[in-house]
Amino acid sequence: EAEVAQSPRYKITEKSQAVAFWCDPISGHATLYWYRQILGQGPELLVQFQDESVVDDSQLPKDRFSAERLKGVDSTLKIQPAELGDSAMYLCASSRGQRETQYFGPGTRLLVL
Amino acid sequence: DQQVKQNSPSLSVQEGRISILNCDYTNSMFDYFLWYKKYPAEGPTFLISISSIKDKNEDGRFTVFLNKSAKHLSLHIVPSQPGDSAVYFCAAYSGNTPLVFGKGTRLSVIA
Repeated sequence: EAEVAQSPRYKITEKSQAVAFWCDPISGHATLYWYRQILGQGPELLVQFQDESVVDDSQLPKDRFSAERLKGVDSTLKIQPAELGDSAMYLCASSRGQRETQYFGPGTRLLVL
Repeated sequence: DQQVKQNSPSLSVQEGRISILNCDYTNSMFDYFLWYKKYPAEGPTFLISISSIKDKNEDGRFTVFLNKSAKHLSLHIVPSQPGDSAVYFCAAYSGNTPLVFGKGTRLSVIA
C-alpha cells in the first residue's frame, strides 16, 4: 500500500536555528498539504499545493516559514528562525485532488529548545 | 471559533461493546465529512467518510451517521477492540476551503 513519506521523524533544535522537513506524497497525488498539530488540537493547515502551485498559504507565518514543491512531487517545509512556539507535530498529507480523501504521513515531531 | 466540535475529550468502552464518538459542526456549508484515527507518534489514518447527500455510511465495524438538521455526526464502532484505542478526529469540507478538524476524542477500549 502506497504511503506518504516524511523525514526526519524527530527533530530537536535550538531557537533561532533553521530546520527543514521533507515530504514525498503518494505517487500520482496532485495535491499536497502541510499541517501543524499542537498537542490536544486537531491538525491545522499551513499550506496546500496543487501540483507545484500554492493554492492556500493563508495560515503560513511567511516571515519565518517557507514551503516549496518545485517539480510537483516532493516538498520541503522550512522554518527560519525557529521559535519556542514552533514545537509541534508537522504533518504532510496528499490526495488525488482537492476535496478528495487526504492520506497522512507519519509526521515530524519538532522540539525547539 | 471552532467550526467542528468534539465535545468529549475522552471515552472509555469495554471490549466488545459499542463505541460512539460524536461530532457537531456549525458551518451549514460543510458537505463532506471524514473520520481519522491517530495513534501516538503517527500521522492520522483515514477511517470513513460521508457525503451530505447521505445519512449513513458503513464499512465493516465502522458506521458514520449524519444528521444535517442537527449538524451532528457520529462514528459507531461495533464491536470495539483494544486496537481501536486511539484519538479520533472528525473533519469537514466546505466547497474548496481547507479541511477543518475537530480537537479529537481519545478512545480507550478496555479488555
